[in-house]
Amino acid sequence: DVKVTQSSRYLVKRTGEKVFLECVQDMDHENMFWYRQDPGLGLRLIYFSYDVKMKEKGDIPEGYSVSREKKERFSLILESASTNQTSMYLCASSNIILAVSSYEQYFGPGTRLTVT
Amino acid sequence: AQKITQTQPGMFVQEKEAVTLDCTYDTSDQSYGLFWYKQPSSGEMIFLIYQGSYDEQNATEGRYSLNFQKARKSANLVISASQLGDSAMYFCAMREAFEAAGGTSYGKLTFGQGTILTVHP
Repeated sequence: DVKVTQSSRYLVKRTGEKVFLECVQDMDHENMFWYRQDPGLGLRLIYFSYDVKMKEKGDIPEGYSVSREKKERFSLILESASTNQTSMYLCASSNIILAVSSYEQYFGPGTRLTVT
Repeated sequence: AQKITQTQPGMFVQEKEAVTLDCTYDTSDQSYGLFWYKQPSSGEMIFLIYQGSYDEQNATEGRYSLNFQKARKSANLVISASQLGDSAMYFCAMREAFEAAGGTSYGKLTFGQGTILTVHP
């Protein structure tokens, strides 16, 4: 079974703090993704990585950065947390994929981050 | 412009009846893939069904089928014989090509807003 794990299910941080969200996958997948999920907006892609040390901006990268030093680990960093970053954060991974590939993305359980 | 649109914020269905969840998409690419995911209240994302843009037959997986109308750019999910356990949030998603630095093309998945399905006994 593919497993994608996230370091915390729930996290509460203060405005201005630096926040690290960690994601680990155990299936040797090349691609990893970070999404945030907000009511009425669905899942929006923040960043993704298609190889170690490689990263690409998604649709809403502002206020976030990422790190991928090892293939199995993809970290999302909030440099200075703000209240509008309160959200559910979902990590996902998949094999190398082309546009018409049927490979699914496997998701972690999510981290619900509250910034006060 | 919204790439994936799910116009039904919430849907209700009686147990054992069929229900259709709507999804329209917008792309100028010829090669793309369409997915449906289910998210129960526990939060995990469960892959349900896939349809490739070149597939001529509608995809089916058990009680799930995807009504693919390419000219209309719609990819509706049909759930037959609804069960109480089908109550969940459902997301439609589209994978399109993304060209990374260096010219390699990858697939990027974009999600719709989601539809909450409630199954009544």
